[in-house]
Amino acid sequence: GEDVEQSLFLSVREGDSSVINCTYTDSSSTYLYWYKQEPGAGLQLLTYIFSNMDMKQDQRLTVLLNKKDKHLSLRIADTQTGDSAIYFCAEISNDYKLSFGAGTTVTVRA
Amino acid sequence: AAGVIQSPRHLIKEKRETATLKCYPIPRHDTVYWYQQGPGQDPQFLISFYEKMQSDKGSIPDRFSAQQFSDYHSELNMSSLELGDSALYFCASSHTSGALEVTQYFGPGTRLLVL
Repeated sequence: GEDVEQSLFLSVREGDSSVINCTYTDSSSTYLYWYKQEPGAGLQLLTYIFSNMDMKQDQRLTVLLNKKDKHLSLRIADTQTGDSAIYFCAEISNDYKLSFGAGTTVTVRA
Repeated sequence: AAGVIQSPRHLIKEKRETATLKCYPIPRHDTVYWYQQGPGQDPQFLISFYEKMQSDKGSIPDRFSAQQFSDYHSELNMSSLELGDSALYFCASSHTSGALEVTQYFGPGTRLLVL
């Protein structure tokens, strides 16, 4: 996804917080999404945020949206080994087409 | 809750052969999307269908075609397969008609290997 950018790798210690950042370009995107992909598996919808919201919290997940800077972040509290995966942020176009970032590989170390 | 079903999960084909991938959306979802994810890459949108009509087209080769049937399941037909077609193919579905937000739910994917 050339229009959606993410850092490629993040290493975090078990129990710490993980923060994954993403920048997008389509200011008309009504929703922004975070998907999780474990090795060899499909895309699991983690959470999404409506563009007129600044923050959304869902258990250990917190999404922050800065619409002015087109910046989206996902914070995972108390990161566990099961959180090791690739995390994709995605924006949706007016015709409902998802554009993904390149994905951030999160590695949780003991 | 019912999820998106894709079949087959794995497929091995040789160059120049054809392949058909199937997708069964979540019940009452009216829109189906196909994405292709190459090794180490992000998913790329191929094509989508809303109420059995093609609604959008992305970077889908002319060798590929797709359709959505009356029961809303969709098939992606791939002909004259090339080595570069080896990828994970995802289907996603959403409920679009009258919806305030359209969230796409993905199937487990079909892993295609072209030899």
